[in-house]
Amino acid sequence: DQQVKQNSPSLSVQEGRISILNCDYTNSMFDYFLWYKKYPAEGPTFLISISSIKDKNEDGRFTVFLNKSAKHLSLHIVPSQPGDSAVYFCAASAANNNDMRFGAGTRLTVKP
Amino acid sequence: DTAVSQTPKYLVTQMGNDKSIKCEQNLGHDTMYWYKQDSKKFLKIMFSYNNKELIINETVPNRFSPKSPDKAHLNLHINSLELGDSAVYFCASSRFKWVGANVLTFGAGSRLTVL
Repeated sequence: DQQVKQNSPSLSVQEGRISILNCDYTNSMFDYFLWYKKYPAEGPTFLISISSIKDKNEDGRFTVFLNKSAKHLSLHIVPSQPGDSAVYFCAASAANNNDMRFGAGTRLTVKP
Repeated sequence: DTAVSQTPKYLVTQMGNDKSIKCEQNLGHDTMYWYKQDSKKFLKIMFSYNNKELIINETVPNRFSPKSPDKAHLNLHINSLELGDSAVYFCASSRFKWVGANVLTFGAGSRLTVL
């Protein structure tokens, strides 16, 4: 029962270009969405989030877009930097339960 | 000063053994979690405790027993280890009881290998 899906296991981008990571979800009860970034041998760390009442949230080089009708969100990183190379997890939660569901992650590689 | 620390980082053991993973958070958070990252890389919640009270117990074998002596600690004890228990186990904490709009702070993970 994978309610959060990241269909691209990996993505490679040139430094300075835009990275777009995608995430789809199936549970219409989800109302809060987050992106976590994970380096090897470390735990995931929070990157950016968006509430279902918004369709865009921006924080520096990172922007998350939410399309509720399509049950789709994306993370844009621009410009991409080599230090952005990591695994990015999409996560979603609902106000009426205490579970945060994660996707399987997308490994981003930013080449110098 | 690590916010969420878990030990050990690596654990290799034989089938049938009993092992524990410890977790401590110094963030003053009320809620702590155990997540399992399996071979398919999905992070799946196992347990959640709020102020020492169990609030989530997903479909996890009875061989897994969490223990929270206080709100800063959540340990995971596993009895009769099986090959399928091999995974990376992440401890996490959050400020509030209901994950809703909470952000989780994760530990670095404990990689368990059962031979």
